[in-house]
Amino acid sequence: DSGVTQTPKHLITATGQRVTLRCSPRSGDLSVYWYQQSLDQGLQFLIQYYNGEERAKGNILERFSAQQFPDLHSELNLSSLELGDSALYFCASSVGTGTYNSPLHFGNGTRLTVT
Amino acid sequence: QKEVEQDPGPLSVPEGAIVSLNCTYSNSAFQYFMWYRQYSRKGPELLMYTYSSGNKEDGRFTAQVDKSSKYISLFIRDSQPSDSATYLCAIGDKLIFGTGTRLQVFP
Repeated sequence: DSGVTQTPKHLITATGQRVTLRCSPRSGDLSVYWYQQSLDQGLQFLIQYYNGEERAKGNILERFSAQQFPDLHSELNLSSLELGDSALYFCASSVGTGTYNSPLHFGNGTRLTVT
Repeated sequence: QKEVEQDPGPLSVPEGAIVSLNCTYSNSAFQYFMWYRQYSRKGPELLMYTYSSGNKEDGRFTAQVDKSSKYISLFIRDSQPSDSATYLCAIGDKLIFGTGTRLQVFP
C-alpha cells in the first residue's frame, strides 16, 4: 500500500458533465501530482502542487483544473467531459518538489468512463 | 518523435529467464532515469532509480543507462511469475513516461 488514497475508484458519467477526483497524499508528503493514463498515450503528466501552490504544469487541458487544500489533499476537476477523457487518472505524492530527490508514490487511480 | 519510446510488448518468457526491457529517449540533457512497475489495476511503484550513466543493481534487477546512445535498460534475472506486470521507464526531472512494456512470466 503506497499510502496515497484516491476516490472514487470508478466513475461513469455522460459527455458534457463535470466530475471531481479526490486525492489524499501520504502522510508527510507535500507534493501532489496528477497523471492521466490512456492505452495509446501512456502516463501523461497533468499538474503538480507543492504545499498548496501550483508548481508545474504539463499537458493539462483548459477544461481541467486542480487545487491543493491546506490539509494537502488535492482535487482534480474535469468539466465539459468528452469521450476522449475516458482514462485512468492517477495521483502521486512525494516529500519534496523534484522527482530526482523524492520518489513518487502513486495511488491506485480513478477509472473515468465518459459515455 | 516521442521524447521517450518503449516497446509495448507483450513480452512472454518462461520462469527463470533473463528479461531485458528497454527505452530510448531523445533529449540528451536528461539526467534522471527511473523504472516503475505497474500491476493490473494498481498504480505504478518505483523499482529502480539511476542518475547519469552506468549500472545499478538491486537484487534480481539491474538498471543500465547509456547516455551516449540515449538508451536505458532494465534486466530481470531469474524471472518469476510474480514479475508479471507492466514496466514503465520514466526519464527526466519531470518524469516523462514511456508507454510501458507488458511482461508475462509463465511457470
